[in-house]
Amino acid sequence: ETGVTQSPTHLIKTRGQQVTLRCSSQSGHNTVSWYQQALGQGPQFIFQYYREEENGRGNFPPRFSGLQFPNYSSELNVNALELDDSALYLCASSLVGASTDTQYFGPGTRLTVL
Amino acid sequence: SQQGEEDPQALSIQEGENATMNCSYKTSINNLQWYRQNSGRGLVHLILIRSNEREKHSGRLRVTLDTSKKSSSLLITASRAADTASYFCATDAGAAGNKLTFGGGTRVLVKP
Repeated sequence: ETGVTQSPTHLIKTRGQQVTLRCSSQSGHNTVSWYQQALGQGPQFIFQYYREEENGRGNFPPRFSGLQFPNYSSELNVNALELDDSALYLCASSLVGASTDTQYFGPGTRLTVL
Repeated sequence: SQQGEEDPQALSIQEGENATMNCSYKTSINNLQWYRQNSGRGLVHLILIRSNEREKHSGRLRVTLDTSKKSSSLLITASRAADTASYFCATDAGAAGNKLTFGGGTRVLVKP
């Protein structure tokens, strides 16, 4: 167990809808990263939040947005859902500035878009 | 886009045998990490090797890194059925934060 939790576990939405996924980081960690993992592929970096500000973004459109809260938990919001958004969404927490670069992943949220 | 490419894409071995998988990447890195994933669940961190290291061990795992060839290998010795999983390499190119770029993974099946 990494101490990183995500909710919900599974979610089914239809095209055009909006979705919010949540992540609670490991205690003491100040950074949350979000990844999208399509079936049979490796995770792809969406964006990272450090001290409540976006700190880097991957090749994802603006309809993917996020927030980080003062307690370092985070949300991933996706607007205007498309079929290709169906994937496992993973969040990972880490402590930037620490001697270790290890990221700790949550169990993921499986999103299905119909 | 994915920086790393794992080879092979799939591997089937008998319990007790060794499993070796390779990862190649394209750009300079700060460190390279290996993760395991069971049946589409979350990723479990296995080992991290920094760009100035050449080999690292952790239990039954041995990782090598060749920055001149931009490649890494993961060896699992004396494999067990519980090692059945997908294994991913991920590179961290440095700078602020640690944003990982993953390969496509190697699916390992260990038969009892």
